[in-house]
Amino acid sequence: GAVVSQHPSRVICKSGTSVKIECRSLDFQATTMFWYRQFPKQSLMLMATSNEGSKATYEQGVEKDKFLINHASLTLSTLTVTSAHPEDSSFYICSARDGGSSYNSPLHFGNGTRLTVT
Amino acid sequence: DAKTTQPPSMDCAEGRAANLPCNHSTISGNEYVYWYRQIHSQGPQYIIHGLKNNETNEMASLIITEDRKSSTLILPHATLRDTAVYYCMTTGANNLFFGTGTRLTVIP
Repeated sequence: GAVVSQHPSRVICKSGTSVKIECRSLDFQATTMFWYRQFPKQSLMLMATSNEGSKATYEQGVEKDKFLINHASLTLSTLTVTSAHPEDSSFYICSARDGGSSYNSPLHFGNGTRLTVT
Repeated sequence: DAKTTQPPSMDCAEGRAANLPCNHSTISGNEYVYWYRQIHSQGPQYIIHGLKNNETNEMASLIITEDRKSSTLILPHATLRDTAVYYCMTTGANNLFFGTGTRLTVIP
């Protein structure tokens, strides 16, 4: 089945530094990928929609200059948390749908990246 | 996307069927019902989806009422590894919005 790989699975960084998270579709092409954030004991919140070859679409309240998204190929999207602060510590998850499948085919999720900012 | 309502938590004895309800009374005609689950500290796992007919796969069965205003996910023989948060969602668009889900605890 379709597999979405996320890297790294865990990262610890110092306040003020930037962190890049990669999301890859391993056996399918994804023109669109989605980035979610999940705080402890809360549900997933959609942050942005990543579109291959164009700018990402951000949800209300998500700072596009802080959470940089690049979708340079049909199998890779990256999320860069710039100038990270402790309040950015969270579980970041990406998802994608096979671009060649029907519109109602399910999204496939990565296993998430746990970011801790010290 | 239609809003969904799920009970916050449920318990189920190991080996018994787990029946997880979901209300989606504002679902529109072209929206599908999707079920995912999330085991602690992992990404959501797809379970099943359907439009109006009942569906079954190797993981679960999905029963959708005739008026499509509610559905039930059935895990026929729950195991300890089925302990997770189960999310019911509806969508006609490209993305998925997660509600609070049902925390299912399978008890030995």
